[in-house]
Amino acid sequence: KAGVTQTPRYLIKTRGQQVTLSCSPISGHRSVSWYQQTPGQGLQFLFEYFSETQRNKGNFPGRFSGRQFSNSRSEMNVSTLELGDSALYLCASSLEQAARDDEQFFGPGTRLTVL
Amino acid sequence: AQKVTQAQTEISVVEKEDVTLDCVYETRDTTYYLFWYKQPPSGELVFLIRRNSFDEQNEISGRYSWNFQKSTSSFNFTITASQVVDSAVYFCALSANQDTGRRALTFGSGTRLQVQP
Repeated sequence: KAGVTQTPRYLIKTRGQQVTLSCSPISGHRSVSWYQQTPGQGLQFLFEYFSETQRNKGNFPGRFSGRQFSNSRSEMNVSTLELGDSALYLCASSLEQAARDDEQFFGPGTRLTVL
Repeated sequence: AQKVTQAQTEISVVEKEDVTLDCVYETRDTTYYLFWYKQPPSGELVFLIRRNSFDEQNEISGRYSWNFQKSTSSFNFTITASQVVDSAVYFCALSANQDTGRRALTFGSGTRLQVQP
């Protein structure tokens, strides 16, 4: 069974640009969560999508947005990039909504560098 | 608000030594879940264990063991007879329903473990 895949793996952008990252969950998984990892702030929760709806959102500005498609694939978008957005963006998928302690399977991440 | 503290930033041991990674958590929720993840240099987070707040039984899996104590809000992780392949950053995480919902993990800052041959 294929794991969580994220594309692209590496990305370089300049300030002010926007970027879209993609995440394909494990087949059959319906929940997709996004996390940002930086040396200064560590791992922080961005948002979670389930059945094409954003269910939870972390404490990030509106420049960070996402969506989920009917096949559970998810994208996140960051507009008007800032230097501080340079980070490893991790996507995680889990099987179902009901079980609160669902294991989350993480992808390899997309490393975004903003120049 | 919930919080996870991993006070040990970096630990260096020699192969075959035992090592314990500490994790202290805070939450007002009575039902919560605790996790440990391993992050090798490749960047992917690898799930190691989850424990719910009602199950204080310690667990052993091969060379790994976990000690959960609600009285001290701790969920410590011990690697017995460490190996070079154990070198990685280890994260403790908490999932509770209080703030951002059940799927959002609150991570500690991580402990970098270096196992020297």
